[in-house]
Amino acid sequence: DTEVTQTPKHLVMGMTNKKSLKCEQHMGHRAMYWYKQKAKKPPELMFVYSYEKLSINESVPSRFSPECPNSSLLNLHLHALQPEDSALYLCASRPPESRSAEAFFGQGTRLTVV
Amino acid sequence: GNSVTQMEGPVTLSEEAFLTINCTYTATGYPSLFWYVQYPGEGLQLLLKATKADDKGSNKGFEATYRKETTSFHLEKGSVQVSDSAVYFCALSPTGGGNKLTFGTGTQLKVEL
Repeated sequence: DTEVTQTPKHLVMGMTNKKSLKCEQHMGHRAMYWYKQKAKKPPELMFVYSYEKLSINESVPSRFSPECPNSSLLNLHLHALQPEDSALYLCASRPPESRSAEAFFGQGTRLTVV
Repeated sequence: GNSVTQMEGPVTLSEEAFLTINCTYTATGYPSLFWYVQYPGEGLQLLLKATKADDKGSNKGFEATYRKETTSFHLEKGSVQVSDSAVYFCALSPTGGGNKLTFGTGTQLKVEL
């Protein structure tokens, strides 16, 4: 199984809502990532978990809150978002600290903040 | 710091034309290099990779050779198809490992009949 599964595929939320994005992989990868991608731009790194501990936070606003409950799951909790947070949110996984291993990406969650 | 530079797009080609998308990088030592492809509305998929100098990665008719002397990893395909229309990202993983991937800005390819 070489899949990274993200749910939901699409999400529309109001600025006062609380929602969560979910990501799951069963490849035994102990590094998991959240990226944000705007249209016609490359993915921007948000967070990295390594062995279930947050190892990189790219100065992301606190309205985004990541969580890694176990080695297969990664969540991104959303609260009080702004319309400019509308984007494609991508989850990825790879073996940690590996120079040569590729990252496997999910299909993404298309988030619209209204 | 590490960086990846790709040619600006969009690149528009006729079917069966030859494709080159240029990618150069800045990094110390011997990073690993990747090409990812993103089809409309989807996530990124690995297209090919190379982990040391002079390695050639290949997949689905696409090829790229890791050139240390020119710090380049140009993507080529001899005959493109309409189905190759997508955005292509060059990326690197640094020499010392670590969990960051550095992406180029992406090049959109449009293939027309």
